[in-house]
Amino acid sequence: AQTVTQSQPEMSVQEAETVTLSCTYDTSESDYYLFWYKQPPSRQMILVIRQEAYKQQNATENRFSVNFQKAAKSFSLKISDSQLGDAAMYFCAYSENFGNEKLTFGTGTRLTIIP
Amino acid sequence: DTGVSQNPRHKITKRGQNVTFRCDPISEHNRLYWYRQTLGQGPEFLTYFQNEAQLEKSRLLSDRFSAERPKGSFSTLEIQRTEQGDSAMYLCASSLGRGTSTQISGANVLTFGAGSRLTVL
Repeated sequence: AQTVTQSQPEMSVQEAETVTLSCTYDTSESDYYLFWYKQPPSRQMILVIRQEAYKQQNATENRFSVNFQKAAKSFSLKISDSQLGDAAMYFCAYSENFGNEKLTFGTGTRLTIIP
Repeated sequence: DTGVSQNPRHKITKRGQNVTFRCDPISEHNRLYWYRQTLGQGPEFLTYFQNEAQLEKSRLLSDRFSAERPKGSFSTLEIQRTEQGDSAMYLCASSLGRGTSTQISGANVLTFGAGSRLTVL
């Protein structure tokens, strides 16, 4: 079974600084998807960024970028120029390329932004 | 479209009672998912539908749980004879399915609702 591990229960960063959230996963598949989702307090989960395993180029979405190391099964999220609105729980998630969106989530990292 | 809607947002019930949650997905989405999230954990997959067909159920979905999507639109998740261990946030999500572009280029993206929190006393 696939597993996703987030070893940082909590992280904090000064506003406007850069922070990196870690994620490792375990799978025997060669083709799959990886995601970072953001869950603000009492609000719904939203997708931050997505990576397809067969693509070597790291995904970027504005201030958010990933460092995807397929051999090491590592998928970290870098948030640049942190903003107060970035405060949330961040979940790393894995999906097999079977034509559905069944996700396996990590336990999450709570990110605090210090003004 | 207002996104994925879930009702009720919070349900408090006594052990042994039945509860039902409703999810209204984005109207053009043909896939609908249910996840359960307990305190301090990430969401766990429960089941999913493509149109009205329930295609997969997790082992987490005991026989006290039943989900339906009768007309391929809204879905209900019923929990019978609730137990304290059922206390959790129940999340619904929907998607367009394979091959459709989304706001993040590529394939299928899940849009989540705000969840229905269940407290069993």
